[in-house]
Amino acid sequence: GENVEQHPSTLSVQEGDSAVIKCTYSDSASNYFPWYKQELGKRPQLIIDIRSNVGEKKDQRIAVTLNKTAKHFSLHITETQPEDSAVYFCAASWEMNSGGYQKVTFGTGTKLQVIP
Amino acid sequence: DAGVIQSPRHEVTEMGQEVTLRCKPISGHNSLFWYRQTMMRGLELLIYFNNNVPIDDSGMPEDRFSAKMPNASFSTLKIQPSEPRDSAVYFCASSFYRGYNEKLFFGSGTQLSVL
Repeated sequence: GENVEQHPSTLSVQEGDSAVIKCTYSDSASNYFPWYKQELGKRPQLIIDIRSNVGEKKDQRIAVTLNKTAKHFSLHITETQPEDSAVYFCAASWEMNSGGYQKVTFGTGTKLQVIP
Repeated sequence: DAGVIQSPRHEVTEMGQEVTLRCKPISGHNSLFWYRQTMMRGLELLIYFNNNVPIDDSGMPEDRFSAKMPNASFSTLKIQPSEPRDSAVYFCASSFYRGYNEKLFFGSGTQLSVL
């Protein structure tokens, strides 16, 4: 089955600096890579996603890059703010049974702390 | 839409008791996932339903865990008998799968404590 590794497990940055979180996946069949943000005591919510036919996607201060050959993808947050403090999860998703169903595997999460 | 609704939000029970967690997915969604979240293991997929049919239950820890989806708007996850190591946050998530992968919408979770 798919295995998703995520690094680092914790990350502290000064407000205004950039943060980068990296993930690797094992199954070349994975073709959808979402990132979820989970604030303390709340549910995970999607912040950005990328499909395998795209190498990079950007949404304001956040961006995701994908390297299919190396099987890794990264989340970049620029100009970090205290409200960016949360746990971030990457995930890899692929279709089972020739497109009949989807399966999602999550990374172990990165706790980001933005220091004011 | 109210989003994915889970109940209860918190459950405290004693070892050996039966626990039932409930989930109402977003109307129109055809895929439903049950995840367990712990500090040690992160988000683990327990079971996945598509059109109310269990597709992948390989993540269900053991026979003490069972899940059902009797219709498109309701699912349950049952633990019987419960053990302290089952203590975790259990999330239900739904999506509308239309032939390609789509994002998941999570419920608020159930914080389970087994004493």
